[in-house]
Amino acid sequence: IAGITQAPTSQILAAGRRMTLRCTQDMRHNAMYWYRQDLGLGLRLIHYSNTAGTTGKGEVPDGYSVSRANTDDFPLTLASAVPSQTSVYFCASSDSGRMGTFFGQGTRLTVV
Amino acid sequence: QKEVEQDPGPLSVPEGAIVSLNCTYSNSAFQYFMWYRQYSRKGPELLMYTYSSGNKEDGRFTAQVDKSSKYISLFIRDSQPSDSATYLCAMSFRGSSNTGKLIFGQGTTLQVKP
Repeated sequence: IAGITQAPTSQILAAGRRMTLRCTQDMRHNAMYWYRQDLGLGLRLIHYSNTAGTTGKGEVPDGYSVSRANTDDFPLTLASAVPSQTSVYFCASSDSGRMGTFFGQGTRLTVV
Repeated sequence: QKEVEQDPGPLSVPEGAIVSLNCTYSNSAFQYFMWYRQYSRKGPELLMYTYSSGNKEDGRFTAQVDKSSKYISLFIRDSQPSDSATYLCAMSFRGSSNTGKLIFGQGTTLQVKP
């Protein structure tokens, strides 16, 4: 089934550790996104990539980095995790000019 | 003030009721309006997508956009227990590079009781 695959599904991470959340899509969408979802704050955009080789900052980029080496993969890295990065992280993709942004199942991250 | 406001609920209705979910927004530049459904511990699922003002119907779901009032609605007819979920409104600006950069409401939790 076509879609977005995120890994891991959940993780407990010690503060100060480095962590990469993985995201792969097989829909050949040109644009990809990372959102975080927090209670009372909804979903907020962290970083995005309109096409392979380009990235941009969203609403809450601090403490996160991304890369887009090819169309299918869009990893999100936390260089040195802090407790405020405890959240549910969603990867998403869309095809510019076509309707709809589609989400993965999420990674539940707890930083202790 | 948030750019997109949505009453978090919870909203509880009996099976078969008509459900009305709403969002207001402050930025008149929003052009694309979406509704997502999110089940517990799952990713958001796209339900409806509309461009600018007007109505769009898909089965039991109707989305309405009133740009003059900066107000969008999702109506669910003949609600079912399987509709119990959190409903998220989302918006984006015009432009092919912006369609996936979504600004979300907080989400409304809906419970449909058998």
